[in-house]
Amino acid sequence: ETGVTQTPRHLVMGMTNKKSLKCEQHLGHNAMYWYKQSAKKPLELMFVYSLEERVENNSVPSRFSPECPNSSHLFLHLHTLQPEDSALYLCASSQESGSETQYFGPGTRLLVL
Amino acid sequence: AQKITQTQPGMFVQEKEAVTLDCTYDTSDPSYGLFWYKQPSSGEMIFLIYQGSYDQQNATEGRYSLNFQKARKSANLVISASQLGDSAMYFCAMRELMDSNYQLIWGAGTKLIIKP
Repeated sequence: ETGVTQTPRHLVMGMTNKKSLKCEQHLGHNAMYWYKQSAKKPLELMFVYSLEERVENNSVPSRFSPECPNSSHLFLHLHTLQPEDSALYLCASSQESGSETQYFGPGTRLLVL
Repeated sequence: AQKITQTQPGMFVQEKEAVTLDCTYDTSDPSYGLFWYKQPSSGEMIFLIYQGSYDQQNATEGRYSLNFQKARKSANLVISASQLGDSAMYFCAMRELMDSNYQLIWGAGTKLIIKP
């Protein structure tokens, strides 16, 4: 595996479900990011982790809970989501947080019913 | 106020022609960076090219070049000899220092369709 991978690629869940999105980077980077991409809106930064420590949380509702167990893995735990949370969730990584080019995974397309 | 403006929501271009995608930005930070990404329908955001605010020359990467006009605060992407595989969404982004952290600020994107 190379680059940044994300699983699952597609997810349909009900508002009462609990699910998790997984991201893994094979680039030896120290920073990882979660973005939300909704239709017709610019990318929204959700969370930034640098060396497994959260350095940014852009006023994201608590129904989204990130976890970074090591510098290669990043999770986004989802619970009691709303239909407006349906979007493409993109994971990215960079050598250091913020100052370097970010490389993205293929994203998870989430539909909340 | 928008910090990154991409004025072209969509463009149709004939295959093999050159195409210019517009991007203007707004910042008071003297040190910033500008990025272009391509997003095909599959969803993955693919890094294309980077220009630093202090770079003296325009960035080039294969068929991609960045027309950086600092005084006008524009960073247009030029794709030479367009190919069918260039059809995608293209996003301009700016790295800026915000609240002691660098963040990427994204434009709304331009949908490029290459016609055969």
